[in-house]
Amino acid sequence: GENVEQHPSTLSVQEGDSAVIKCTYSDSASNYFPWYKQELGKRPQLIIDIRSNVGEKKDQRIAVTLNKTAKHFSLHITETQPEDSAVYFCAANQGSTLGRLYFGRGTQLTVWP
Amino acid sequence: DGGITQSPKYLFRKEGQNVTLSCEQNLNHDAMYWYRQDPGQGLRLIYYSQIVNDFQKGDIAEGYSVSREKKESFPLTVTSAQKNPTAFYLCASSLSPTGELFFGEGSRLTVL
Repeated sequence: GENVEQHPSTLSVQEGDSAVIKCTYSDSASNYFPWYKQELGKRPQLIIDIRSNVGEKKDQRIAVTLNKTAKHFSLHITETQPEDSAVYFCAANQGSTLGRLYFGRGTQLTVWP
Repeated sequence: DGGITQSPKYLFRKEGQNVTLSCEQNLNHDAMYWYRQDPGQGLRLIYYSQIVNDFQKGDIAEGYSVSREKKESFPLTVTSAQKNPTAFYLCASSLSPTGELFFGEGSRLTVL
């Protein structure tokens, strides 16, 4: 099956700085890579996703890049704000069969005011 | 209000007892999932179902069972065979297998 590794496990930044979270995956057939944000005590929610036919996708302060050759993808948050503090999970689908995602272990992002 | 509802939110169980967690969705989604969340472990897939009357094991299915008799419902039973059942359980649904996952608020199970 797919193996998704996520780094770092914790990340602290000053408000206004950028934050980058990186993930690698093992299944070269994977073609869908979402990112979920889980605030403390709340359910995970999709913040951005990318499919393998594009290399980068942006949504305001959030961007995701994908390098299929190297099998890694990254989440970039610019101009961080305290409300960005949360656990972020990357995921990749199992390419050979539809129907499931493999999640990374999560990154606890803390943005200090 | 469309969404996905889990119950109960908190549950305590004695060792040796089975317990069933409820998950209901009114989003008309075909696919439903159960994840287990432990600190530092991410989201691990227990079972998933892409269609009524069909489901597949995920990565940590041992000690768990599910049913999918209705499109809206995907209950999870934590059996006494699950060695370490204390955890936070999340149910999710999606319109398609590579679509956005919508999560419930979770059920926290504590085995005493």
